[in-house]
Amino acid sequence: GESVGLHLPTLSVQEGDNSIINCAYSNSASDYFIWYKQESGKGPQFIIDIRSNMDKRQGQRVTVLLNKTVKHLSLQIAATQPGDSAVYFCAETWAAGNKLTFGGGTRVLVKP
Amino acid sequence: DAGVIQSPRHEVTEMGQEVTLRCKPISGHNSLFWYRQTMMRGLELLIYFNNNVPIDDSGMPEDRFSAKMPNASFSTLKIQPSEPRDSAVYFCASSPRRQGNQPQHFGDGTRLSIL
Repeated sequence: GESVGLHLPTLSVQEGDNSIINCAYSNSASDYFIWYKQESGKGPQFIIDIRSNMDKRQGQRVTVLLNKTVKHLSLQIAATQPGDSAVYFCAETWAAGNKLTFGGGTRVLVKP
Repeated sequence: DAGVIQSPRHEVTEMGQEVTLRCKPISGHNSLFWYRQTMMRGLELLIYFNNNVPIDDSGMPEDRFSAKMPNASFSTLKIQPSEPRDSAVYFCASSPRRQGNQPQHFGDGTRLSIL
């Protein structure tokens, strides 16, 4: 999920396969992380969050993994569906502040 | 439950005109955020409020931009005078203030085009 200006990294996935979206975050002091999904014409939608005292958290069809050693966050989507096609953003914050820093986003395209 | 409500959804106006964007946060949320999204710069935080008080406005581009939150259920972002480079999608988000961090919930944005 690193920012590359006009070009968003794109992940093409076959319907039914699992998706893995990666994010390298910037601040080693970050202690709270969120994944958002943004569909065309809509605002970012909260998917799942994780605090720095955890390394894994599961939701419905989604799992977030946190590796603080290498400052890496990933989102796994099980059995990807056409409705999962969107841009996915990771976000980080620290010191119990509300200010989120967003990554550049990854576009996921689900092929039928 | 109603989410964050923004108006208008689309705004097209000529440069030099004043633009006012509006936001109604989720009831009970007492933190409110204004973001701008462009292809080149992604999502940028402009300003945020806690309990109607501006906490950090370091992301506001310049004096042409101002934001207010007169009460817990309403905020405005104003651009005066507007310029073509202000064209972007502007999002408002809100979150509850509880112990520890809480996720922000976004509205569907205002797509602003300055001609």
